[in-house]
Amino acid sequence: GQQVMQIPQYQHVQEGEDFTTYCNSSTTLSNIQWYKQRPGGHPVFLIQLVKSGEVKKQKRLTFQFGEAKKNSSLHITATQTTDVGTYFCAGRRSYIPTFGRGTSLIVHP
Amino acid sequence: EAGVVQSPRYKIIEKKQPVAFWCNPISGHNTLYWYLQNLGQGPELLIRYENEEAVDDSQLPKDRFSAERLKGVDSTLKIQPAELGDSAVYLCASSSELAPGELFFGEGSRLTVL
Repeated sequence: GQQVMQIPQYQHVQEGEDFTTYCNSSTTLSNIQWYKQRPGGHPVFLIQLVKSGEVKKQKRLTFQFGEAKKNSSLHITATQTTDVGTYFCAGRRSYIPTFGRGTSLIVHP
Repeated sequence: EAGVVQSPRYKIIEKKQPVAFWCNPISGHNTLYWYLQNLGQGPELLIRYENEEAVDDSQLPKDRFSAERLKGVDSTLKIQPAELGDSAVYLCASSSELAPGELFFGEGSRLTVL
């Protein structure tokens, strides 16, 4: 079945440093979504990427979808303590979003 | 606009007991999902509904888990009997036809089986 791998599992950064998480699928995806889950909270939708090679920005967050539509990345510039949480990618091949394991971001002030 | 509502937030039961979770999706959202999330893991799909029809339940352990979405609105997920390994957070999510990729999650129901 479809598998979505996400690395790294954890990332410690000093406030102000950049952060990147990577998502790889074993199959070509129709689209991919990114979610953020704060500690003790529930996943919250951030963005959806659909087109091959697509790049979208939300303030300090940059999302990319690979040319082959099998990988994606989320990059945060100049992290802040409010960025703490776990970031999940969810790849769609059909109607079913398959979530990665997530990358937990820990920001040290 | 109210979000996805789940209850109970927390439930502690002994093994072999039954338990039920309830979910009320966002009004007008035709697709409803039940996910299971273990600590340190991503959500894993249990079942997906399109209106009242279960269209993907291949990951639902049907020997002990059951779900229903009567009238295509709110939904219940039941476990009977519960096992120790069922301890997890059960998340409900919904999405609309206009934006099927955008899932709105409830706060989840945390189950502890002793």
